[in-house]
Amino acid sequence: GAVVSQHPSWVICKSGTSVKIECRSLDFQATTMFWYRQFPKQSLMLMATSNEGSKATYEQGVEKDKFLINHASLTLSTLTVTSAHPEDSSFYICSTIVGWREFTDTQYFGPGTRLTVL
Amino acid sequence: GENVEQHPSTLSVQEGDSAVIKCTYSDSASNYFPWYKQELGKRPQLIIDIRSNVGEKKDQRIAVTLNKTAKHFSLHITETQPEDSAVYFCAARAGGTSYGKLTFGQGTILTVHP
Repeated sequence: GAVVSQHPSWVICKSGTSVKIECRSLDFQATTMFWYRQFPKQSLMLMATSNEGSKATYEQGVEKDKFLINHASLTLSTLTVTSAHPEDSSFYICSTIVGWREFTDTQYFGPGTRLTVL
Repeated sequence: GENVEQHPSTLSVQEGDSAVIKCTYSDSASNYFPWYKQELGKRPQLIIDIRSNVGEKKDQRIAVTLNKTAKHFSLHITETQPEDSAVYFCAARAGGTSYGKLTFGQGTILTVHP
């Protein structure tokens, strides 16, 4: 089946630094990528939707200048957490859909990136 | 937007018993309802899903039912085993301009005691 990879799988950084998370579709083209965030012991929340070649759309309450999303190719979407702070520590997961028909599609998740900001 | 409520937040059962987790959703346009099992530090794993054109779906020990009128859906696990212990999330997804966006429930911590 379709595979979505993420890199890095975990990262520890100092407060104030920026961190880039890559999400790749390995054997298919992903025109749209969804970015979710999961705080410890909480549910997954959609942060933003990235579309290849266009600007990402952000969910209410998510700072677009802090969470920069780039979807420059059909196989790569990146999320950059700028000036990270401890409250940004979370599990970040990308997801995409294969087979864009609403009754036959399949949704895939990347393995996630654990970000810890000291 | 969509709102998904999940109950219970924790569920403890004895091995071999059945477990039921229930979710309600608010957006009548939602047409896809997946259930995920998540182990610590890992991605959600799809265990079963149901679409709005079906009322019930079963896969071995796992079944899901959907009541579109009442806007609720449930996960049923029979003959539970200790390896079923994990966090389970329901989700709902609408079509149209919101196509692809999953709204998750709060999660249920299932513990199966041997």
